Amino acid sequence: DGGITQSPKYLFRKEGQNVTLSCEQNLNHDAMYWYRQDPGQGLRLIYYSQIVNDFQKGDIAEGYSVSREKKESFPLTVTSAQKNPTAFYLCASSIGRGKYEQYFGPGTRLTVT
Amino acid sequence: GESVGLHLPTLSVQEGDNSIINCAYSNSASDYFIWYKQESGKGPQFIIDIRSNMDKRQGQRVTVLLNKTVKHLSLQIAATQPGDSAVYFCAEITSNTGNQFYFGTGTSLTVIP
Repeated sequence: DGGITQSPKYLFRKEGQNVTLSCEQNLNHDAMYWYRQDPGQGLRLIYYSQIVNDFQKGDIAEGYSVSREKKESFPLTVTSAQKNPTAFYLCASSIGRGKYEQYFGPGTRLTVT
Repeated sequence: GESVGLHLPTLSVQEGDNSIINCAYSNSASDYFIWYKQESGKGPQFIIDIRSNMDKRQGQRVTVLLNKTVKHLSLQIAATQPGDSAVYFCAEITSNTGNQFYFGTGTSLTVIP
């Protein structure tokens, strides 16, 4: 099956710890994205990558980091510098090259206490 | 910044009736729009898209209407079914600014059996 996978579905961490969320796609898409979703708000872009070994900050990149060493993978690290990390995190991908439709993974719900 | 908003945060309809979900956008340069459906605890699913050179597009039981004059987008769902209950987002992108979508806050649709 082709698609985007995110793991784990639920993640719990203590405050002050870094945590890495996984996102993998086998759609052969060039572009990948990380969004944060909070209740009553639209999706907000954290980081995106249009090609391997390149990524750009989105609107709310502070306290997050990413890497794009492989086309299939775009892990997101939530660092201890992120002031309010508890949220639902969504990864997406798109073909790129002028094709904008984004396909989303199932999401990871991160709770930091 | 971009502003994409929905007129109604919640909408309840009887099963079998038609549903209309509205969305306003502020950037007249936006040239591509998508409607997504998100069920509780899951990632958004693509429903239908429309480019700015069109004013109407139809899919299976869904129609998207675009009014560029008033910067308004709507999603019509025909013969609404219980499985249509979800949150619906519109998203817009201005292709000459890169691949960053802006998402509305969402409308929660509840179908009453």
